[in-house]
Amino acid sequence: ILNVEQSPQSLHVQEGDSTNFTCSFPSSNFYALHWYRWETAKSPEALFVMTLNGDEKKKGRISATLNTKEGYSYLYIKGSQPEDSATYLCASTDVGGFKTIFGAGTRLFVKA
Amino acid sequence: KAGVTQTPRYLIKTRGQQVTLSCSPISGHRSVSWYQQTPGQGLQFLFEYFSETQRNKGNFPGRFSGRQFSNSRSEMNVSTLELGDSALYLCASSFSGDTEAFFGQGTRLTVV
Repeated sequence: ILNVEQSPQSLHVQEGDSTNFTCSFPSSNFYALHWYRWETAKSPEALFVMTLNGDEKKKGRISATLNTKEGYSYLYIKGSQPEDSATYLCASTDVGGFKTIFGAGTRLFVKA
Repeated sequence: KAGVTQTPRYLIKTRGQQVTLSCSPISGHRSVSWYQQTPGQGLQFLFEYFSETQRNKGNFPGRFSGRQFSNSRSEMNVSTLELGDSALYLCASSFSGDTEAFFGQGTRLTVV
């Protein structure tokens, strides 16, 4: 059974601050790592899917890196804005894609 | 193209009753996964279906069951409802289970 852990559990930053979160996952039977952004009263929205060790993805001010050998991924937000306030979830999919396990999420609060 | 549709959006049931939730995936997606989210918890994996076959199941009691039809639509059934089953139930569809997943808006189940 995969165990995905995220830290910190919550984070309060000021507008303009840059921030990062960590997702750790077992590296055995790993296939893909997903990052989602989940705003209150909406559905989780996919940000990135990464599969290769050393992968780095970027979307606007948000980027993510992946280390499959040591089993961790970082999500970075540069120059946080109030609209970035959301829960950021990571999820690990095993080989074959039969099961995707989510972490508990990092709740980000950005104060204007 | 239409997104993932879950019905109903809200549901109130009494303890001991059963409930059926429906999920229509994005056209062409053959994998449907179900998740439960309770207050303070992350997304807990229930099960995943692909081409009408359940490929994996999370750690939930046998009261939770599901099925997938030939058109990839999926239903989840919970029998003998308990107060603790009150939660947001999300389904996610993807092309093959290991690719980017798209979530529905969820069904909020309240058991009284």
